[in-house]
This record gives sequence, C-alpha cells and structure tokens, in this order.
Amino acid sequence: AQSVAQPEDQVNVAEGNPLTVKCTYSVSGNPYLFWYVQYPNRGLQFLLKYITGDNLVKGSYGFEAEFNKSQTSFHLKKPSALVSDSALYFCAVRARDSGNTPLVFGKGTRLSVIA
Amino acid sequence: DGGITQSPKYLFRKEGQNVTLSCEQNLNHDAMYWYRQDPGQGLRLIYYSQIVNDFQKGDIAEGYSVSREKKESFPLTVTSAQKNPTAFYLCASSTWRGEHVSGGENTEAFFGQGTRLTVV
Repeated sequence: AQSVAQPEDQVNVAEGNPLTVKCTYSVSGNPYLFWYVQYPNRGLQFLLKYITGDNLVKGSYGFEAEFNKSQTSFHLKKPSALVSDSALYFCAVRARDSGNTPLVFGKGTRLSVIA
Repeated sequence: DGGITQSPKYLFRKEGQNVTLSCEQNLNHDAMYWYRQDPGQGLRLIYYSQIVNDFQKGDIAEGYSVSREKKESFPLTVTSAQKNPTAFYLCASSTWRGEHVSGGENTEAFFGQGTRLTVV
C-alpha cells in the first residue's frame, strides 16, 4: 500500500526567509512523487514532480524539491518566501510500475508567509 | 483551450435527494478520478476510471455512483445513502505514456476547480 505523510499541519515563515514543507512516503518499488498547491476554494495546481534522474527537481514559482531515497523523503523548498506563497500544499505519490492508478495524497500542510 | 471543467461550482442538496456533479475534460486523458476533500483530512479517493466503460471503487465509495460512457466525461452522483455529503469535490484526469516510451513517465494529474456541495 502507498502512503504519504506530511508531519506538519501548519508552517509559518517570514517573508524573504527560506521555507521547507516536509513530505515522507511509503511505496513498493520506486516512486513517482508530486507536489501540488491549493488556493482557497480552488482546485489543485501542479508544482513539480520527481520521475527519475537528478534528485533535485525545480518547478513553478521558484519552488524545488529534493528526492532522498534513503530517507524516503521529498521535501518542498523555496529560498525566499513570498506572502503570495501562502496556501495549502499537498505531496502525492504513485508507484512507478502502477500505470494510471490514482495518486495518493498526504493530508496537506498549510503554509503561512508573514510580511 | 484544454483543461478539465467541473460544474456547478456550488451545489445545495436537500436531505434525501440525489445530485450529480459534472466533470468534463478535453485533454484526451484516459484516466479520470473523483476525490473528496474535508478540512484536515486531505484528499480521499471516491472512484476512478482508467478507461471508458470501466471504473473502480476508491477508499470511500459508499453512497456515491459514477459512469464513464465517454472518454471526456466522468459524472459523480451523490446519493441519499451518503450520510455526510457536505464537502469539496475534486475531479482529476491523467494519462500514461508507458514505461518504455520516450523516457517513459507517468504524467501528473490535472485537477478541475472543484464543486462545493452543501446539504441544506
């Protein structure tokens, strides 16, 4: 069975400071990993994904994430937070050999960037 | 332009009434999914369909039904058997190019803007 853990319900960071939103996963075999962002009363927007290759993945809006196989983690990072980054962030996983099976999501982490 | 469209954005249901949420995509994606979102619980899978005329139950299928008669459409019916239907419903779609095609990768899922269902 696949699962995702986002250990922090809420992350607060000052504008201009670096931010990290944590994600760990459990999957049989190799994973495909995804980060999504959700603004109030909207659908999820794709930020970035890890498929294979370089462990550091760069995505939209200056976000990046680092795949760490030994720690089964895929933490989302940004060097300098903006107030507009305040939103709900979801990490998701799918096993590499599972075809078109649904993504499994974490419970989400609410990021609040304070001016 | 391409995308995935959910309608209506807001829906009100009376007790004991069935309602149907619409989801349409023009991305030519094979697979479509329905998730339910409640505060603090993340996204929970209701139903999914990997191909036309086929669908599977997700983790919380009780009280819901779906159909997949066309590739573009995957409507969700919330029946009177669903005891607590008030939630935000999200539809998504994806496709799979296969492991051995052009570096092979599963694509990310694309989401609609959601339907907020409230029981009155």
